[in-house]
Amino acid sequence: AQSVAQPEDQVNVAEGNPLTVKCTYSVSGNPYLFWYVQYPNRGLQFLLKYITGDNLVKGSYGFEAEFNKSQTSFHLKKPSALVSDSALYFCAVRDHSALNFGKGTSLLVTP
Amino acid sequence: EAGVAQSPRYKIIEKRQSVAFWCNPISGHATLYWYQQILGQGPKLLIQFQNNGVVDDSQLPKDRFSAERLKGVDSTLKIQPAKLEDSAVYLCASSSPLDLRGYEQYFGPGTRLTVT
Repeated sequence: AQSVAQPEDQVNVAEGNPLTVKCTYSVSGNPYLFWYVQYPNRGLQFLLKYITGDNLVKGSYGFEAEFNKSQTSFHLKKPSALVSDSALYFCAVRDHSALNFGKGTSLLVTP
Repeated sequence: EAGVAQSPRYKIIEKRQSVAFWCNPISGHATLYWYQQILGQGPKLLIQFQNNGVVDDSQLPKDRFSAERLKGVDSTLKIQPAKLEDSAVYLCASSSPLDLRGYEQYFGPGTRLTVT
């Protein structure tokens, strides 16, 4: 089965600093990878996806992710964090007809 | 366009009781998913519908969970009888027929179920 792993339960970063949320994947074949964000008491919101093409994917709210085949990683990045970026972030991989999610990483951006 | 609607938003029941959740997907979205998100974990697929047919229900505990999408639009998920371990957020998502491989799924706000 296709799977992703998020090695960090929580990431803390100061506002204005760059942020990285890590994700590694394990798939057979070409991976279809996604990042979603979840704010408290709200559903998951799509941020970006990698299907094919450029390894650097740009998404919503200034986020981007880099697909690295040799390291089987798909880390989420943002050059300058905002306090409003504080939320729960999920990496996911397409498996047949649905998504397999990681356990999530809580991002806390402090002023 | 309106997003995925779910109701109720919160539900508290006692174990062995039954409960039902409702989902109305984005208009025109043929594919509908139900996910279970236990606290501290990522969402896990329970069932996927394409129009009113089931595509994947391999992870649905069929002895107590059931779901239907009779007219290919809205859907209900039922638990009977509920167990303590069913406490979770139940997320509904939908995707567009224009995106045949369902690359982007749009999620509702979820229903938070607490079983006591």
